[in-house]
Amino acid sequence: GESVGLHLPTLSVQEGDNSIINCAYSNSASDYFIWYKQESGKGPQFIIDIRSNMDKRQGQRVTVLLNKTVKHLSLQIAATQPGDSAVYFCAENIQAGTALIFGKGTTLSVSS
Amino acid sequence: NAGVTQTPKFQVLKTGQSMTLQCAQDMNHEYMSWYRQDPGMGLRLIHYSVGAGITDQGEVPNGYNVSRSTTEDFPLRLLSAAPSQTSVYFCASSYSMGGQHLREQYFGPGTRLTVT
Repeated sequence: GESVGLHLPTLSVQEGDNSIINCAYSNSASDYFIWYKQESGKGPQFIIDIRSNMDKRQGQRVTVLLNKTVKHLSLQIAATQPGDSAVYFCAENIQAGTALIFGKGTTLSVSS
Repeated sequence: NAGVTQTPKFQVLKTGQSMTLQCAQDMNHEYMSWYRQDPGMGLRLIHYSVGAGITDQGEVPNGYNVSRSTTEDFPLRLLSAAPSQTSVYFCASSYSMGGQHLREQYFGPGTRLTVT
């Protein structure tokens, strides 16, 4: 079936490095994507979103890139900090805006 | 403004028992949803609602019932619990921009359910 997935289940970086977390999606009808961060024992927390009519969107220390040609989404975190350690999920909008499908998640570990 | 609240935080059930997981939000959000999260599986959508009186099925609805009698509350019922329903359950709510684009969802803290 069509689903959102992530390329790597884990990513380890040093404090201060830039992190890139990738996500591949297969539903060409998806028109809205969200990145979430989930810390241990907590619910997912919104980071940034992007609509399909955009290629790039920037937030505070985070950038999301969307490549519709290859159905690829990435989250870039600048100057990664230990507090960024968490599981990161991408999610795609399906069913005309009424539901999200989540990928399996990438665990980011930041060492100082 | 409490956001999204869920009760209980933890629950242990025996196979065949029934229970209701409670979810409430005080942000006047139209859209509410229930997800389950299993290790290595990410979040999977169980049921969702786009407004009071309207519910629909998600990816994994079997074994669960929902109702939406008010904007604030969206309870999830397990009619006959099974070990396969052992999971962490998250409720979420958001604005729905005329049904066109789903805005970011606000998640509750989760309910950890174990069925023995």
